[in-house]
Amino acid sequence: QKEVEQDPGPLSVPEGAIVSLNCTYSNSAFQYFMWYRQYSRKGPELLMYTYSSGNKEDGRFTAQVDKSSKYISLFIRDSQPSDSATYLCAMTPSGGGADGLTFGKGTHLIIQP
Amino acid sequence: DVKVTQSSRYLVKRTGEKVFLECVQDMDHENMFWYRQDPGLGLRLIYFSYDVKMKEKGDIPEGYSVSREKKERFSLILESASTNQTSMYLCASSPRQGIPDTQYFGPGTRLTVL
Repeated sequence: QKEVEQDPGPLSVPEGAIVSLNCTYSNSAFQYFMWYRQYSRKGPELLMYTYSSGNKEDGRFTAQVDKSSKYISLFIRDSQPSDSATYLCAMTPSGGGADGLTFGKGTHLIIQP
Repeated sequence: DVKVTQSSRYLVKRTGEKVFLECVQDMDHENMFWYRQDPGLGLRLIYFSYDVKMKEKGDIPEGYSVSREKKERFSLILESASTNQTSMYLCASSPRQGIPDTQYFGPGTRLTVL
């Protein structure tokens, strides 16, 4: 069983829709959960991170973690064509660099104008 | 802003050639990483380094080596390039005390081995 599972998509939605992106994981030691956004032909950039369970909001983006279900989500409200990108989840046990990051394979999101 | 730069955006090499990919970061980060990214396989860690002259194998180190002679520079070396090393190569850096380990990525080098 892979450590982190993420649907590769593509996920295509109309502009203005609410988008839900998800990852499941198997390692209960993961404590920090991140979302990276990667535009075509660019490197990933960190969007936001959460620690343990709960929600975190940043503008149109909300990250949600349910550790009991080993399930994390990223919600995008009022989606824009500029949100079209690949979204990668990443997670780490202690947060420090020594443990490294475990990435999902990414979900390709397309926002149709 | 953190800046991670990679020496080339696109590179074409022949089988058997020795290939050097250079990465430089300007934020005095201790940690540096090399990944490759392939469709359907996601990001896979090749090597990482926590300090000058230090290196640790990642998940797929075979066929690669690295060098970190200066804190800001981390080089990935393909000793004898093969066609299965055609990929997007991404360098990243992060501060040692960063909690969580938020890695900053470079723009990537798309390497084609013919």
